[in-house]
Amino acid sequence: GENVEQHPSTLSVQEGDSAVIKCTYSDSASNYFPWYKQELGKGPQLIIDIRSNVGEKKDQRIAVTLNKTAKHFSLHITETQPEDSAVYFCAASYSFGNEKLTFGTGTRLTIIP
Amino acid sequence: DTEVTQTPKHLVMGMTNKKSLKCEQHMGHRAMYWYKQKAKKPPELMFVYSYEKLSINESVPSRFSPECPNSSLLNLHLHALQPEDSALYLCASSQVVGGELFFGEGSRLTVL
Repeated sequence: GENVEQHPSTLSVQEGDSAVIKCTYSDSASNYFPWYKQELGKGPQLIIDIRSNVGEKKDQRIAVTLNKTAKHFSLHITETQPEDSAVYFCAASYSFGNEKLTFGTGTRLTIIP
Repeated sequence: DTEVTQTPKHLVMGMTNKKSLKCEQHMGHRAMYWYKQKAKKPPELMFVYSYEKLSINESVPSRFSPECPNSSLLNLHLHALQPEDSALYLCASSQVVGGELFFGEGSRLTVL
């Protein structure tokens, strides 16, 4: 089955700086890669996703890049703000219609004011 | 309304108790999910319902029994649980199976 590795497990950045979280996946058939943000005491929330026919996607301060050859994808957050502090999970699945989403191990991001 | 509502938020139960977790969504989603999340770990899929029928059971022990009474409700019945079952139980829904997941805030379960 699919295996998703995520690094780093913890990340601290100064407010206003950029943060990058990286994930690698094992199954070359995977073609849907969402990112979830989980704030303390809340359930995960989808913040951005990308499909394999696209190399990069951007939504305001958040961007995701995908390298299918190397089987890795990354989350980039620019101009970080205190409210970006949370745990971030990457995930992968075979297709958008597949219910088996494999999550990465998570990254605890702390923004230092 | 883009919310998935879970009750109770916290539950403490003994190993001989019977309790239920409840989940409700009014987004017209036809897929609903139960996930289990241990501290500092990612969510783990337990069950998937598609159009009110169980489509996925990830080899979950029978002491966990899901129920989908209608398209808006999802229950998780708990019986004879073990202390290692203590975790955050997350409900999620999506428009169709595999679509964008909308998670509830979870029910934090402690088994004594």
